[in-house]
Amino acid sequence: GAVVSQHPSWVICKSGTSVKIECRSLDFQATTMFWYRQFPKQSLMLMATSNEGSKATYEQGVEKDKFLINHASLTLSTLTVTSAHPEDSSFYICSVRGGTGEAIEQFFGPGTRLTVL
Amino acid sequence: GQNIDQPTEMTATEGAIVQINCTYQTSGFNGLFWYQQHAGEAPTFLSYNVLDGLEEKGRFSSFLSRSKGYSYLLLKELQMKDSASYLCAVMDSNYQLIWGAGTKLIIKP
Repeated sequence: GAVVSQHPSWVICKSGTSVKIECRSLDFQATTMFWYRQFPKQSLMLMATSNEGSKATYEQGVEKDKFLINHASLTLSTLTVTSAHPEDSSFYICSVRGGTGEAIEQFFGPGTRLTVL
Repeated sequence: GQNIDQPTEMTATEGAIVQINCTYQTSGFNGLFWYQQHAGEAPTFLSYNVLDGLEEKGRFSSFLSRSKGYSYLLLKELQMKDSASYLCAVMDSNYQLIWGAGTKLIIKP
């Protein structure tokens, strides 16, 4: 399956600063990557679908000006949390989808834990 | 609306068998996934069912009934390392994954 990495694994920042999270597909060219957010004891929440070479598609309720997504290449997507606040503290996970037909599987990165003070 | 239901928490004993149920109502169906997620880690893939019936993979099996909108994940010979959250997710007609809230499985010695 696809190997997905994220950097950084965890980050602590002050309120009002911006944080960039990188998601790399190491062995798979991903035209589409997904960004999720997960609060403690809750399920994954899809934030946006990142499309290589075009604008990301955001889910309802997700501010596109606050969560900037750049899918610069087939192996790299970045999520920038601008002017982060404590309520943005969460576990951010990216994923890529591989396979076709009956072999559709979603591969997840290890996640980035963001803590905003 | 789209909805995935699974129990919030279950407790089982090491060496025993546990069944985690998942019911769903979605707009279209392109398969059902089970993922395992340990605390503080990303989910890892366990199984994918798109046809009715039972899929067995080692100690883990997954069952699907599309007519009933129902699936279960069966874990046999439970080990302490199986303590985790188990997420049920359905791929809808737009190939979007709809996630359940997850079932936290606690294994006791």
